[in-house]
Amino acid sequence: DVKVTQSSRYLVKRTGEKVFLECVQDMDHENMFWYRQDPGLGLRLIYFSYDVKMKEKGDIPEGYSVSREKKERFSLILESASTNQTSMYLCASHTPGSQPSAGYTFGSGTRLTVV
Amino acid sequence: KQEVTQIPAALSVPEGENLVLNCSFTDSAIYNLQWFRQDPGKGLTSLLLIQSSQREQTSGRLNASLDKSSGRSTLYIAASQPGDSATYLCAASGGSYIPTFGRGTSLIVHP
Repeated sequence: DVKVTQSSRYLVKRTGEKVFLECVQDMDHENMFWYRQDPGLGLRLIYFSYDVKMKEKGDIPEGYSVSREKKERFSLILESASTNQTSMYLCASHTPGSQPSAGYTFGSGTRLTVV
Repeated sequence: KQEVTQIPAALSVPEGENLVLNCSFTDSAIYNLQWFRQDPGKGLTSLLLIQSSQREQTSGRLNASLDKSSGRSTLYIAASQPGDSATYLCAASGGSYIPTFGRGTSLIVHP
């Protein structure tokens, strides 16, 4: 089974701090995604990546950046955390095809609180 | 732009009922459709993935169907149990592999 691991389940940071959210997948998938999920707003795409060192903006990239130096690791960076970035952050990995491991696999999420 | 709608938004049923959750999408040119389950405070767990060339997929008590021409997918849950209580989301993906998610159906199955 594909595993997507997010390094922290809960995180509390102060306003203005630089925050790193780490995501690692173990199946050599090329496609990786970062979402945030807020009540009433659903899942919103922040950034995605189709390959190492590639990154594309999603629907809400402002205030965020990403890094993908290795295929298995996709990091989300909050350059200067603000209280409106308090949210649940979800990482996903994807592979196309019809094999059992195809489709999207999500990590368990990081609940970030910015105080 | 693809839009995905899930109806109903919330559902509360007694244990043992057979359930149908609906997902509709506006652009029928999808690559696949995937159903997920999300428990409170957790990530999304994949339930079923239907490729655009398929009509349905089954896993245990779950059956998902896909009708591209009408822009609909349904998730059928047989003999519901309290452990099925969760939010169910569907996601439609095009050739770019970027999924569009519905807002989900919040399901409560009471004993």
